[in-house]
Amino acid sequence: ETGVTQTPRHLVMGMTNKKSLKCEQHLGHNAMYWYKQSAKKPLELMFVYSLEERVENNSVPSRFSPECPNSSHLFLHLHTLQPEDSALYLCASSQDNSKRFEQFFGPGTRLTVL
Amino acid sequence: EDQVTQSPEALRLQEGESSSLNCSYTVSGLRGLFWYRQDPGKGPEFLFTLYSAGEEKEKERLKATLTKKESFLHITAPKPEDSATYLCAVRFSGGYNKLIFGAGTRLAVHP
Repeated sequence: ETGVTQTPRHLVMGMTNKKSLKCEQHLGHNAMYWYKQSAKKPLELMFVYSLEERVENNSVPSRFSPECPNSSHLFLHLHTLQPEDSALYLCASSQDNSKRFEQFFGPGTRLTVL
Repeated sequence: EDQVTQSPEALRLQEGESSSLNCSYTVSGLRGLFWYRQDPGKGPEFLFTLYSAGEEKEKERLKATLTKKESFLHITAPKPEDSATYLCAVRFSGGYNKLIFGAGTRLAVHP
């Protein structure tokens, strides 16, 4: 595997389900991000982890719960979601404390909440 | 307020018809401007980083330029495979690597 991978690629869940999104980066980076992308809206930053510590929680509802067990893995735990949470969820990584700040993205998880 | 605006929202070109996409920003302490390409249903693909006014980067038919208030992505003699949404993002001075994204320009190149 190379780059940033995300599983599953597609997810359909009911409002009472609990599910988790997984992200893994193979780039040796030390920062990871969760973004939400809704139709015709800019990417919305949800969470940032730098050196496995959460440094940003961008006013995200508590029904989204991130977890970063190490610098290569990031999870987004979902429970009691709403239909308006349907979107493409993107994971990204970057190397903080360097002169380059590019974030590299995974393919995303297309989430549909029924 | 830090803001990134992309124009036009959508652009339709004939194959070979050159054009430019615009990204204007109002951020304090710019620490990088990034261009990404995104195909439908996929994650953004990194294209360029620009750090200072006057800087230019090129890749195949794409050329990115930066001024103190905006960036342009010039597309020379585009092909249908250049069709995608092009995203601009800005990193401003702050404690960590936070990017503000524009809404993107949807480019369609027709043969």
